[in-house]
Amino acid sequence: KAGVTQTPRYLIKTRGQQVTLSCSPISGHRSVSWYQQTPGQGLQFLFEYFSETQRNKGNFPGRFSGRQFSNSRSEMNVSTLELGDSALYLCASSLEATPVGKQFFGPGTRLTVL
Amino acid sequence: GENVEQHPSTLSVQEGDSAVIKCTYSDSASNYFPWYKQELGKGPQLIIDIRSNVGEKKDQRIAVTLNKTAKHFSLHITETQPEDSAVYFCAATDSWGKFQFGAGTQVVVTP
Repeated sequence: KAGVTQTPRYLIKTRGQQVTLSCSPISGHRSVSWYQQTPGQGLQFLFEYFSETQRNKGNFPGRFSGRQFSNSRSEMNVSTLELGDSALYLCASSLEATPVGKQFFGPGTRLTVL
Repeated sequence: GENVEQHPSTLSVQEGDSAVIKCTYSDSASNYFPWYKQELGKGPQLIIDIRSNVGEKKDQRIAVTLNKTAKHFSLHITETQPEDSAVYFCAATDSWGKFQFGAGTQVVVTP
C-alpha cells in the first residue's frame, strides 16, 4: 500500500506571497493532520481534517488554513508568508480520527521563505 | 492543554548497548502514546505505540512502558545498531485527540 505523499517536496517563496501544499493520504484513510516542524519549536500541530470537516485546530494565526476533499486528499494554504514560516510541513494520515487512529507521516514539504 | 517533556535531548550509546528515552505528560486524560523515529530528510516513522489500558508493549528490540500514575512513559531500545541512529519523538494525545510532541532525542549509535 502506498504511503502518504506530499507535493511539492521543496518550495521557495518570498515574503508576502501565498503557498498551497498538497497531501494524499494512505488509501482508505479518512483523517489528515498537518504539522509544522522547525528546529526551534519542534513539531507543532496545525489542524486535523476528518471526512472533509476540520476536527481540531492548533494555535496558529488565520493565515494558515486547510481543507479536505471528498477523496480525503488535503491541502493547506499559507497566505502573506513571513520569514518565520520557513519550516518542514508534515502531513499525517490515519484510518480514523485521532486518537483512535494511528498516524502515519509523509516525507514533508520543505518551505523556504526569502 | 497537554505538555510533553522529553529527556535526554541527545543520547550517545555504544553499539550493542541499550538506550532509554523518557517522556512525561501533564494531561491525565491522555490515552494514546506513540513513538516516532525520524531520519534525516524523512518524515517521522511510527515505531511503537501504547494505549493507557496497557502498561508495557514490546516489538523485537523496542519496548515502551507507561506509568499512568506518574504520567510518564519510556522507550527502550536493546542491542542498539548503527541504523538506530536518528531523532526519536514521543507524543501524547490530549482530551481533544490532538497530538502534543516532545522536543525529540538525537540518538547516536557508535560502532
